[in-house]
Amino acid sequence: GEDVEQSLFLSVREGDSSVINCTYTDSSSTYLYWYKQEPGAGLQLLTYIFSNMDMKQDQRLTVLLNKKDKHLSLRIADTQTGDSAIYFCAESIPYNAGNMLTFGGGTRLMVKP
Amino acid sequence: DSGVTQTPKHLITATGQRVTLRCSPRSGDLSVYWYQQSLDQGLQFLIQYYNGEERAKGNILERFSAQQFPDLHSELNLSSLELGDSALYFCASSVGGSGTEAFFGQGTRLTVV
Repeated sequence: GEDVEQSLFLSVREGDSSVINCTYTDSSSTYLYWYKQEPGAGLQLLTYIFSNMDMKQDQRLTVLLNKKDKHLSLRIADTQTGDSAIYFCAESIPYNAGNMLTFGGGTRLMVKP
Repeated sequence: DSGVTQTPKHLITATGQRVTLRCSPRSGDLSVYWYQQSLDQGLQFLIQYYNGEERAKGNILERFSAQQFPDLHSELNLSSLELGDSALYFCASSVGGSGTEAFFGQGTRLTVV
């Protein structure tokens, strides 16, 4: 079955880099995503990576994918207080005739000034 | 703003009642997904529709049903509500039906009292 795991909490200082890690189990995943959720808000799509890629960079965000170890990470450079939120990784897997996203439990990022 | 619109934002209702949650996908998106977010279960996939047809069914209770209309908006119907159905219900949409970028709405917070 599918299972996505993340650490619960990460605390960094403003200006430092943050690295949020995620492991998944389903090797049939097609895309892997990172979403951000601020208090009382919806899920904001930050970035995604195709399962046949190793790395993707998008401004301050770098996604690394190690398919062999089924490990996904999100690096946020120059972390700001506005980056404080819960970050979810998710894998998209074929399911029935469509697909579904399986989410991790979320990592709460706290950025200290 | 993701372009996905969900109404209402908040809903308070009594046990045993029935409610309908509405979702308008981004312009051009054919797939609609419904997810439930609760403290104990995290983000759970409920169901996917693509161009009016059901494509994938996840952990959706028999008391819940959904449909996608010809104009591509979708409704999630929750009946015989129980206290445990209190949660944040998200709708997401994507262009394709098999794993492309999924953009989420702001969610409907349902409180059953």
